[in-house]
Amino acid sequence: DAKTTQPNSMESNEEEPVHLPCNHSTISGTDYIHWYRQLPSQGPEYVIHGLTSNVNNRMASLAIAEDRKSSTLILHRATLRDAAVYYCILRSGNTPLVFGKGTRLSVIA
Amino acid sequence: NAGVTQTPKFQVLKTGQSMTLQCAQDMNHEYMSWYRQDPGMGLRLIHYSVGAGITDQGEVPNGYNVSRSTTEDFPLRLLSAAPSQTSVYFCASSSEFLAGGRDTQYFGPGTRLTVL
Repeated sequence: DAKTTQPNSMESNEEEPVHLPCNHSTISGTDYIHWYRQLPSQGPEYVIHGLTSNVNNRMASLAIAEDRKSSTLILHRATLRDAAVYYCILRSGNTPLVFGKGTRLSVIA
Repeated sequence: NAGVTQTPKFQVLKTGQSMTLQCAQDMNHEYMSWYRQDPGMGLRLIHYSVGAGITDQGEVPNGYNVSRSTTEDFPLRLLSAAPSQTSVYFCASSSEFLAGGRDTQYFGPGTRLTVL
């Protein structure tokens, strides 16, 4: 499985943008970049995914480097409810989701 | 839609007891899977199924059995519970697992299991 590298933890002030980085230098041409998050005491939830182009949805934006070896999840205005563990996962073919340790985001009021 | 539901929410077992964790989804999803999450860790895949009658092992299958007789249900059986199986168990489903990696997966709220 292609590996991803994320910082263990990050901190943000409420109502400020948050940029969560993910390195995936061994990404293959068919790997989709997925982001899931896990709020405290809950199951993971889908955030966003992309292949080559930047993506936007109601939750976040995904910026993908031109060489696809890194990506950044952008939360435009962090709220206290965004405090969670964020997982960056590569998927292709018919492989199940494989979770790493993710980045624990703390949001300060 | 109720989405992915799991029962029970909490369970305490004694070593050696058996039990079944239930998972159901009402979205007509072909793909379902089970994960466990130990304290402070990421999720690890136990078993998964790409359709009724088809199951496969994940990263940590030992001590667990699954079967998939219907599209809606994917129960996880612990045959002889051990303290090492104390964990939070999550079930997930997806409608487009065979879509080459672009599908979205939906997770249940989890079952918190303690084995004494």
